[in-house]
Amino acid sequence: EAGVAQSPRYKIIEKRQSVAFWCNPISGHATLYWYQQILGQGPKLLIQFQNNGVVDDSQLPKDRFSAERLKGVDSTLKIQPAKLEDSAVYLCASSLWGMETQYFGPGTRLLVL
Amino acid sequence: DAKTTQPPSMDCAEGRAANLPCNHSTISGNEYVYWYRQIHSQGPQYIIHGLKNNETNEMASLIITEDRKSSTLILPHATLRDTAVYYCIGYTGNQFYFGTGTSLTVIP
Repeated sequence: EAGVAQSPRYKIIEKRQSVAFWCNPISGHATLYWYQQILGQGPKLLIQFQNNGVVDDSQLPKDRFSAERLKGVDSTLKIQPAKLEDSAVYLCASSLWGMETQYFGPGTRLLVL
Repeated sequence: DAKTTQPPSMDCAEGRAANLPCNHSTISGNEYVYWYRQIHSQGPQYIIHGLKNNETNEMASLIITEDRKSSTLILPHATLRDTAVYYCIGYTGNQFYFGTGTSLTVIP
């Protein structure tokens, strides 16, 4: 079974630029999560989708971050404009339904200069 | 938030059992305790979860106290590949809350 795929693996941008990350969850998984992991900290949930609907985006900085999952499969997370403090690893995870075991992708490492 | 408390770091000799403790005093009675680990530069990997009974799988054992306020993850025979950050997950509602975890170093 293929795992969660993410791209790109690494991205370097300058502040005020925009960036987008892509995630392809495990086939058949209805729930998709985006996490932000700052160096030295545990992952923090940004947004959770159930199929193509948002379940929880309470910790998503909506003035600059946006995410979509239009067809209930792939998802994109966008940052516009980026700030220095957005430097982090962005992790995507998926699960069959709700709070069962989450399976994580390798993450995208973002550096904002 | 359902706060979990873990020691920041631990060492374990290769081949010995690694016992990683976690306090989760605010976890609700019907919420599972999850353990994940994160090897450097990889995404978190699921290890095990339990509700109130002890659990064992091919990776580890999970011992949960009767009052559910704490648990211990046991890696029975630690190898160098078990060096990682181990997260004990507590949650409120439908969200996972990762703490800063325990950095386990397995020493040859």
